[in-house]
Amino acid sequence: AQSVSQHNHHVILSEAASLELGCNYSYGGTVNLFWYVQYPGQHLQLLLKYFSGDPLVKGIKGFEAEFIKSKFSFNLRKPSVQWSDTAEYFCVGGTASKLTFGTGTRLQVTL
Amino acid sequence: DTGVSQDPRHKITKRGQNVTFRCDPISEHNRLYWYRQTLGQGPEFLTYFQNEAQLEKSRLLSDRFSAERPKGSFSTLEIQRTEQGDSAMYLCASSPSGGGGYEQYFGPGTRLTVT
Repeated sequence: AQSVSQHNHHVILSEAASLELGCNYSYGGTVNLFWYVQYPGQHLQLLLKYFSGDPLVKGIKGFEAEFIKSKFSFNLRKPSVQWSDTAEYFCVGGTASKLTFGTGTRLQVTL
Repeated sequence: DTGVSQDPRHKITKRGQNVTFRCDPISEHNRLYWYRQTLGQGPEFLTYFQNEAQLEKSRLLSDRFSAERPKGSFSTLEIQRTEQGDSAMYLCASSPSGGGGYEQYFGPGTRLTVT
């Protein structure tokens, strides 16, 4: 069965701190992994995606994620967070027919 | 840049009533998806269309739920005899066919409250 699990439900960081959000997946076959973000009052937006090639993928707003096949992980990172990064972050696995979301991590960045 | 649009954005209804939501995908996207999101959870897949064909349905989609995409463009999701447990955000997404990645573009959602 396809599943995605996120380790952190709520993370609070000060501005300029480094961020790493954990994600593990369980998938058979071809892996398509994503991180989506939902800013307060806005709809879900794609941060970055991985489906083949370089396991280190870069997304918008300085985010990156590394696909580590041996660990079944796809952690999201950002070296220095900003207050505007306050949002809910979802790790997602996908096929052509559907996406499977993790439960989400609520990130709160304080000034 | 016209993204995915959904109508209405909010719907309050009484238990037992029927409701219908509409989704307009990005115009060149032939794949369309419905998801449901409850508080504190990630979105859960409901159903998937490729053009007008409904190719996959989740077990979450009980017989009170029906979705259509008659001309392969907009889609409707109807819930009959609503129950309080149907209260949730209903999200629509679309994606183009072909290529890799299967990324989906989401609309703003319709928030349903059943009283």
